[in-house]
Amino acid sequence: AQSVTQLDSQVPVFEEAPVELRCNYSSSVSVYLFWYVQYPNQGLQLLLKYLSGSTLVKGINGFEAEFNKSQTSFHLRKPSVHISDTAEYFCAVSDDSNYQLIWGAGTKLIIKP
Amino acid sequence: ETGVTQTPRHLVMGMTNKKSLKCEQHLGHNAMYWYKQSAKKPLELMFVYNFKEQTENNSVPSRFSPECPNSSHLFLHLHTLQPEDSALYLCASSQETRTTNTQYFGPGTRLTVL
Repeated sequence: AQSVTQLDSQVPVFEEAPVELRCNYSSSVSVYLFWYVQYPNQGLQLLLKYLSGSTLVKGINGFEAEFNKSQTSFHLRKPSVHISDTAEYFCAVSDDSNYQLIWGAGTKLIIKP
Repeated sequence: ETGVTQTPRHLVMGMTNKKSLKCEQHLGHNAMYWYKQSAKKPLELMFVYNFKEQTENNSVPSRFSPECPNSSHLFLHLHTLQPEDSALYLCASSQETRTTNTQYFGPGTRLTVL
């Protein structure tokens, strides 16, 4: 069965610094990968997704992620963070055997002024 | 109103109460989901409806009872809950239950069981 690991529960970073949030999944079969963001007191919103094609995926708010099949990773990056990026970020994976999304436990991005 | 709405946003109930959570989607979707979100844990899928038919029940205790009268509305009926059921309950919808479809989430209902 699929599993998703988000290695960091919290990532503190200074404003305007780059950030990488890590996500690894367990299976190497064909997968579909997602990053969602949850701002305080809100539901989850899709940031970006990888279904096929180019391994570098660009999303909203300047975020991008790279699918690395050999390392079973889908890390999220942003070159320069803003205070408004303060949120919790969730990685999720699904595959053709089961449409259900399997979720990571989330990473809180804390922006320091 | 657009997107996915949930009411109430906050709910406090005793263990002997009966209450219901409501979700409505204005996106023309055919699939709707209930998730439980607890701190520092992955989202737990509870129930899935596709074209008003329940397709998933992930071993959820019977004190949670879903209802989907049409593709736009989803309810979660609660009775004799336990304190460990306190969590954020999220509703989501998608075009249908296909792997690649994006799920759109409501803001959630923060439930506290005393």
